[in-house]
Amino acid sequence: DVQMTQSPSTLSASVGDRVTITCRASQSINKYLAWYQQKPGITPKLLIYKASSLESGVPSRFSGSVSGTEFTLTISSLQPDDSATYYCQQYNSFPLTFGPGTKVDIK
Amino acid sequence: QVQLVESGGGVVQPGRSLRVSCIASGFTFSNSAMHWVRQAPGKGLEWVAVISNDETNIYYADSVKGRFTISRDNSKNTLYLQMNSLRADDTAVYYCARDPGWELYFDYWGQGTLVTVSS
Repeated sequence: DVQMTQSPSTLSASVGDRVTITCRASQSINKYLAWYQQKPGITPKLLIYKASSLESGVPSRFSGSVSGTEFTLTISSLQPDDSATYYCQQYNSFPLTFGPGTKVDIK
Repeated sequence: QVQLVESGGGVVQPGRSLRVSCIASGFTFSNSAMHWVRQAPGKGLEWVAVISNDETNIYYADSVKGRFTISRDNSKNTLYLQMNSLRADDTAVYYCARDPGWELYFDYWGQGTLVTVSS
């Protein structure tokens, strides 16, 4: 199985800050990685697919990139509405697996 | 607009069975692969199973293989998850999620239904 790790597990940043979340795969997953945002008590929302493709309707301050097996989600200018937990998910092979999540708080 | 509405959750004793359902609307259900994803209370997301639009391809997580069965009825726009031999660690919110093709990620999610396995 492909193991996904995320760092940091939590972060606290101010409105307007640039925020970066890293997701690493235990083996090559090509670019088959998605990012989701989940707010407390709310269903997850797709942000990014194929490592860097922005889902329709998602603000352009969200972006994704990849270098080898290291994937990055960047929020260019953090907004109050971005307070949430962010999960990465690989879909290169079964079983599909998620990272443990990164909780983003607003200072 | 795409809507996915799960139902059928509840409290069930260990070893018993339960079936949860997901009714889809706002898109052509028969064209879409569908998934079940679960989330234990306070925990992260865990993929459970996927079924292709025509039921020819089905895959499960190892944790549920042999106990859970995913199925669908395209005439009713409904996805099912039959859960047998339930265990305490199956306690979770169960989400149905749409696949945008056979892409294996999830572009729309339902609101979830809570399954609690407890004596």
